[in-house]
Amino acid sequence: DSGVTQTPKHLITATGQRVTLRCSPRSGDLSVYWYQQSLDQGLQFLIQYYNGEERAKGNILERFSAQQFPDLHSELNLSSLELGDSALYFCASSVGPGADYGYTFGSGTRLTVV
Amino acid sequence: GENVEQHPSTLSVQEGDSAVIKCTYSDSASNYFPWYKQELGKGPQLIIDIRSNVGEKKDQRIAVTLNKTAKHFSLHITETQPEDSAVYFCAATPGMDSSYKLIFGSGTRLLVRP
Repeated sequence: DSGVTQTPKHLITATGQRVTLRCSPRSGDLSVYWYQQSLDQGLQFLIQYYNGEERAKGNILERFSAQQFPDLHSELNLSSLELGDSALYFCASSVGPGADYGYTFGSGTRLTVV
Repeated sequence: GENVEQHPSTLSVQEGDSAVIKCTYSDSASNYFPWYKQELGKGPQLIIDIRSNVGEKKDQRIAVTLNKTAKHFSLHITETQPEDSAVYFCAATPGMDSSYKLIFGSGTRLLVRP
């Protein structure tokens, strides 16, 4: 157990629908990162929050949004889902604002859009 | 742009042999280089990392070397065991202004044959 908790582990939904993925960071970590892992694109950075505030955006689609709550857990919202959104979505956390503090990944949410 | 290339994509070795995975990065300002191991159904796990002011780091059977001039770094696993079988990812921070995120290589699937 890495200490980063992601729910749900698996999600199957239809095109056009909206889903919410949840992440609880490791105790003491203030940064939360979201990554998408697909077979053809590898691990792609989506977005980072640090201590409740959005810090950086990567290749995140406009249909996707995220937030970090006062208790530091984070949610990634995916809407108007398309078949191509099927992927593994990972949350990672770190104690500081930068990647060079080291990331700890959760076990991921496997999203299947049918 | 930001890019990390990783080779080989697959690697099969006999138990007890050594395995070497190589990565090159494009941004000369990159200063942090972690390696992750991903087992089936799990999230990536940090196994070793190195910073730009160090040329080599070792942790038991695992070592990482960094050549800043050539912009490449390598993972060395000695005395491989079947439990080393997994997908390994190298990564790099893309530079001082983007140190919040990691750019990942495409992964190496390592198979250790008993």
